[in-house]
Amino acid sequence: AQTVTQSQPEMSVQEAETVTLSCTYDTSESDYYLFWYKQPPSRQMILVIRQEAYKQQNATENRFSVNFQKAAKSFSLKISDSQLGDAAMYFCAYRSLWENNAGNMLTFGGGTRLMVKP
Amino acid sequence: GAGVSQSPSNKVTEKGKDVELRCDPISGHTALYWYRQSLGQGLEFLIYFQGNSAPDKSGLPSDRFSAERTGGSVSTLTIQRTQQEDSAVYLCASSEWGDPRRQPQHFGDGTRLSIL
Repeated sequence: AQTVTQSQPEMSVQEAETVTLSCTYDTSESDYYLFWYKQPPSRQMILVIRQEAYKQQNATENRFSVNFQKAAKSFSLKISDSQLGDAAMYFCAYRSLWENNAGNMLTFGGGTRLMVKP
Repeated sequence: GAGVSQSPSNKVTEKGKDVELRCDPISGHTALYWYRQSLGQGLEFLIYFQGNSAPDKSGLPSDRFSAERTGGSVSTLTIQRTQQEDSAVYLCASSEWGDPRRQPQHFGDGTRLSIL
């Protein structure tokens, strides 16, 4: 079974600064997807960015980018030019690509609460 | 277009009562997932439906939990004889037909369940 660990329960960043959220995972598989989801107080899980493990190039989406280190099983999220609207819980998630039960459900880390200071 | 809809948004009930939580997936989405998010925790998988196939119940924590999906669309998660440890946010997600490994999951806003 895969596990996902987020070691930072809370992080804070000054508006317009850059912050990096950490995520590590454990798997015996060679190909898989990794995701970062944002959960504001509205509770809805919003997909921020995703990375396919076989792609060496780090994914980017506007101000959001990842540092994917496959050998180290590390998948950190960098938020540049932080905005007040970025304040939320952030979850790292793993999804297997192999045929298995449960429709390849997502395995989540415990989350990191990001606070943005004006 | 409409996203995943869950009801009720909040539910407060007494210990020992039964509760039903509803999920209305995005139209045309054949895959449906239930997750549970306990306070301060990440999401925990509960159950998965794909079309008319038998559901994967491998994540259900006890036999007090059950779910059904009528007509391949709306799903109901039922918790019988609720306990205080059942207090959590219950999130539903759906995805399109196709390789379930590659289709993104779209989440609803969840139901916050509080057991007194």
